Amino acid sequence: AQSVSQHNHHVILSEAASLELGCNYSYGGTVNLFWYVQYPGQHLQLLLKYFSGDPLVKGIKGFEAEFIKSKFSFNLRKPSVQWSDTAEYFCAVNAASGTYKYIFGTGTRLKVLA
Amino acid sequence: DAMVIQNPRYQVTQFGKPVTLSCSQTLNHNVMYWYQQKSSQAPKLLFHYYDKDFNNEADTPDNFQSRRPNTSFCFLDIRSPGLGDAAMYLCATSTPPGGYGTDTQYFGPGTRLTVL
Repeated sequence: AQSVSQHNHHVILSEAASLELGCNYSYGGTVNLFWYVQYPGQHLQLLLKYFSGDPLVKGIKGFEAEFIKSKFSFNLRKPSVQWSDTAEYFCAVNAASGTYKYIFGTGTRLKVLA
Repeated sequence: DAMVIQNPRYQVTQFGKPVTLSCSQTLNHNVMYWYQQKSSQAPKLLFHYYDKDFNNEADTPDNFQSRRPNTSFCFLDIRSPGLGDAAMYLCATSTPPGGYGTDTQYFGPGTRLTVL
């Protein structure tokens, strides 16, 4: 069965620190990959997605993620976080085989200290 | 603004008393999803509609049903809620121009269900 692992459940950083959130998935076939973000009091929204082409994808608000097929990973990065990045981040995977099923990770709560 | 609306935002029901959660969208998207999210867990897909075609996940309990009377509305019915059904229920929509699985999902704010 497919699964998604987000190893960091809680991350606390100071402003201007660099961020990397891990996401690993288990599925041997072609995948579509997503990062969603949920700011306090708001609903889940798309941060970025990958389904083909350049494995380094850029999203909103300076976030990027790199798909490394050999490592089954899609880690999220930001060179310099801001207080406003405080949120919960979810990685999601879809097996690109004609299905609308999305598997989400358990999320990482990021707190950025001003 | 176009959006996904869920009502109510908070729902309290009693053990075994049927409850219906609603979702509406102004995005005119083909696909609508229902997810269950328990505390500190991943959102778990319960089922989805592609237009009127209903797709139930294999591990979704029979206690959970859904209706989609038209493009804009989708309902989640829990026939006999148990204490284990207390969770946040998320509705999402998408339209897949790039084919299966490449579409962005647009989420509603969720309905938090409490079962007494």
